[in-house]
Amino acid sequence: GDSVTQMEGPVTLSEEAFLTINCTYTATGYPSLFWYVQYPGEGLQLLLKATKADDKGSNKGFEATYRKETTSFHLEKGSVQVSDSAVYFCAPGGSNYKLTFGKGTLLTVNP
Amino acid sequence: NAGVTQTPKFQVLKTGQSMTLQCAQDMNHNSMYWYRQDPGMGLRLIYYSASEGTTDKGEVPNGYNVSRLNKREFSLRLESAAPSQTSVYFCASRDLAGGQYEQYFGPGTRLTVT
Repeated sequence: GDSVTQMEGPVTLSEEAFLTINCTYTATGYPSLFWYVQYPGEGLQLLLKATKADDKGSNKGFEATYRKETTSFHLEKGSVQVSDSAVYFCAPGGSNYKLTFGKGTLLTVNP
Repeated sequence: NAGVTQTPKFQVLKTGQSMTLQCAQDMNHNSMYWYRQDPGMGLRLIYYSASEGTTDKGEVPNGYNVSRLNKREFSLRLESAAPSQTSVYFCASRDLAGGQYEQYFGPGTRLTVT
């Protein structure tokens, strides 16, 4: 079945630092790739997605590029803010009705 | 458009009690899901319903039952709660039309079993 290896946290950064959270996956077929974000006390929200190789998903200053050759979908942001403190989940998913979630990476951004 | 709603938001049960977690979505999605989230474990799929009238086991179904009441509603039942079921439960829905595979999540139910 599908699986995800996600950079384990916690990750602690200062405001305006550069962020990378690594994600690699194994999946049958040609999945879509997603990053979800979970703010404290809330459910998961879709942050960005990419549906085919070399696609770049972007939202709120975050970016991730679908790298089929390395089966990776690393999340990046050039300048993090305190409000970005949250748990981030990588997830491949396709037409088999299910998403497979990584264990999540806790990001804390200090002022 | 409320998206995915869950009730209750918080619940405390004693060991052996039963309860049903409710979930509804107003996005006309075909597929619905129940997950549990535990510290350090990420999200684990309990049950899912690919379409109205079907349900299937996920990764951790033991101790749970589900009912897809109609296209909008998907409930999760704990028949005899155990402390190991203390967790945060999330419902999600998804529509595969047009190749859009993302899931939409509810706010969660925080369950404590004592």
